[in-house]
Amino acid sequence: IVMTQSPATLSVSPGERATLSCRASQSVRSKLAWYQQKPGQAPRLLIYGASTRATGVSVRFTGSGSGTEFTLTISNLQSEDFAVYYCQQYHEWRTFGQGTKVEV
Amino acid sequence: EVQLVESGGGLVQPGGSLRLSCAASGFTLGSHRMNWVRQAPGKGLEWIVYIGFSDSRTYYAASVRGRFTASRDNVRSSLDLQMDSLTVDDTAVYYCARDQVGDYYTDYWGPGTLVTVAS
Repeated sequence: IVMTQSPATLSVSPGERATLSCRASQSVRSKLAWYQQKPGQAPRLLIYGASTRATGVSVRFTGSGSGTEFTLTISNLQSEDFAVYYCQQYHEWRTFGQGTKVEV
Repeated sequence: EVQLVESGGGLVQPGGSLRLSCAASGFTLGSHRMNWVRQAPGKGLEWIVYIGFSDSRTYYAASVRGRFTASRDNVRSSLDLQMDSLTVDDTAVYYCARDQVGDYYTDYWGPGTLVTVAS
């Protein structure tokens, strides 16, 4: 299963909303996770089951979608949110998208 | 506290071998499926190995199949990744990652260990 994220880079100002997209080459049902990665750090789980926030994740992060189309919305962007975001399907083994960099 | 700590990375020549380890603590390793994921410098994440509750159910990505061998020791709470016939394309940070119990999404990652394949 091929995962395609768009855009590759998203330029957003603090306080604004960012909308990240992830598309699967075939249905993954709701077996979709989102991860945040900052430079020099391991990825951090944000969302699983397409829309469930992981423990400790801010309510500013919202996941939606099912089947082949998914969205991660980050509202009221804070300085700590500027990072690279990856989607991953776990319906059939595992595949990551290529990532979306959210920058100022 | 859940902890995963990888070790064994370093510089190796093309065609060489390296063995990575992952020490798990703060949870019962035997209750979790595990994975190895890598990230080449400046690139995205690439999932390479899935290990079920025991070594008998292991799946490899095409890029490493036949060259890498993963194993786990639930008693010692550790995982190993034997990497043979290494090429420059295997240069990456290698992460050990845990799946949530009862599900298949990855919830915890180690800090990673860098493997550099170069002559």
